[in-house]
Amino acid sequence: KAGVTQTPRYLIKTRGQQVTLSCSPISGHRSVSWYQQTPGQGLQFLFEYFSETQRNKGNFPGRFSGRQFSNSRSEMNVSTLELGDSALYLCASSLDAARNREKLFFGSGTQLSVL
Amino acid sequence: GENVEQHPSTLSVQEGDSAVIKCTYSDSASNYFPWYKQELGKGPQLIIDIRSNVGEKKDQRIAVTLNKTAKHFSLHITETQPEDSAVYFCAASGSSGYALNFGKGTSLLVTP
Repeated sequence: KAGVTQTPRYLIKTRGQQVTLSCSPISGHRSVSWYQQTPGQGLQFLFEYFSETQRNKGNFPGRFSGRQFSNSRSEMNVSTLELGDSALYLCASSLDAARNREKLFFGSGTQLSVL
Repeated sequence: GENVEQHPSTLSVQEGDSAVIKCTYSDSASNYFPWYKQELGKGPQLIIDIRSNVGEKKDQRIAVTLNKTAKHFSLHITETQPEDSAVYFCAASGSSGYALNFGKGTSLLVTP
């Protein structure tokens, strides 16, 4: 069974640009979450989607947005990039079964560098 | 919001020794506590988890204990091997949905 797939693996952008990251969850998983990982702040929750609806959102500015498609694939977008947005962006999927909805399986992430 | 504290931030042990990593959480509503292992260049990998109705869980060389009264939980790795070297994260479920709140991580080095 294929794991969570994130593309691209690496991205280099300049301040002010916008970026779109993609995530394909494990087959059968309907919940997709996004986390930002930095050396200083660790792993921080961005948002979570289920059946194309955002169910939860972390404490990030409106420049960070996302969406989920009918096949459960998800994208996140960051507009007007700032230097502080440089981070590893991780996508995680889960079954969202009653007992296992918190059991997250992570992809390898997209390393974003903002210059 | 939920605050998860993790200690130590770095841990060095000799191969064959045990390693213990401790975490505390603040939200008494948290009821799910996973542990993740992250190797260089990879995403976090779930290695063991425990729910609040269980005090201890073991999987081969890895065990997790939970003390809900004191709001702390620990990861125990016995008979450590060099391939156990990685960054380990604890997490606790939040009260506002399905988001996990992570500790800052422990860098474990197992020397032969």
